[in-house]
Amino acid sequence: DIQLTQSPTFLSASVGDRVTITCRASQGIRSFLAWYQQKPGKAPNLLIYVASTLQSGVPSRFSGSGSGTEFTLTISSLQPEDFATYYCQQLHSYPRTFGQGTRLEIK
Amino acid sequence: EVQLVESGGGLIQPGGSLRLSCEASGFNLSTYAMTWVRQAPGKGLEWVSDISGSGGGTNYADSVKGRFTISRDNFKNTLYLQMNSLRAEDTAVYYCAKETNNVSDYWGQGALVTVSS
Repeated sequence: DIQLTQSPTFLSASVGDRVTITCRASQGIRSFLAWYQQKPGKAPNLLIYVASTLQSGVPSRFSGSGSGTEFTLTISSLQPEDFATYYCQQLHSYPRTFGQGTRLEIK
Repeated sequence: EVQLVESGGGLIQPGGSLRLSCEASGFNLSTYAMTWVRQAPGKGLEWVSDISGSGGGTNYADSVKGRFTISRDNFKNTLYLQMNSLRAEDTAVYYCAKETNNVSDYWGQGALVTVSS
């Protein structure tokens, strides 16, 4: 199985900050990676797919990059509604594994 | 508007069976693969299973293989997850999701399954 490791696991930041979350795959997955945002008690929400394509309706302050084994999710200027948990997921092979999550909290 | 509504969750004893349903609306279900993802209390997301648009292709996580069965009835616009031989570690919120380009672009609100005696 492909393991995904996110870093950091926990991130404290302020409104207006630029933040980056990293997702590393245990083997190459080309660009078959998605990012999701989840708020407490809610279903996940797709942000980015094929590593860098922004899902329709997602603000442009979110961006993704990377290929192979290392990927990043960047939020250019944090807004209050961005404080949530973020997950990466690989779609290269089965099982479709997720990273362990990165919890982003207000400093 | 795409909507996915899960039902069928509840409290079940270890070893028991439960069937989750996911009613879809706002799109042609037969055109899309569908997925089940679960989340244990306070934990991260775990992919469980998916099924092709026609229902001819299915995949399962090792943790549920042989115990869970995914199926669909495109005429009823409904996705199912039959869960047998349930264990305490199956306790989770179960989400159904629509797949586009291999990613889950729309999700239901989730159904809580609690396995406990």
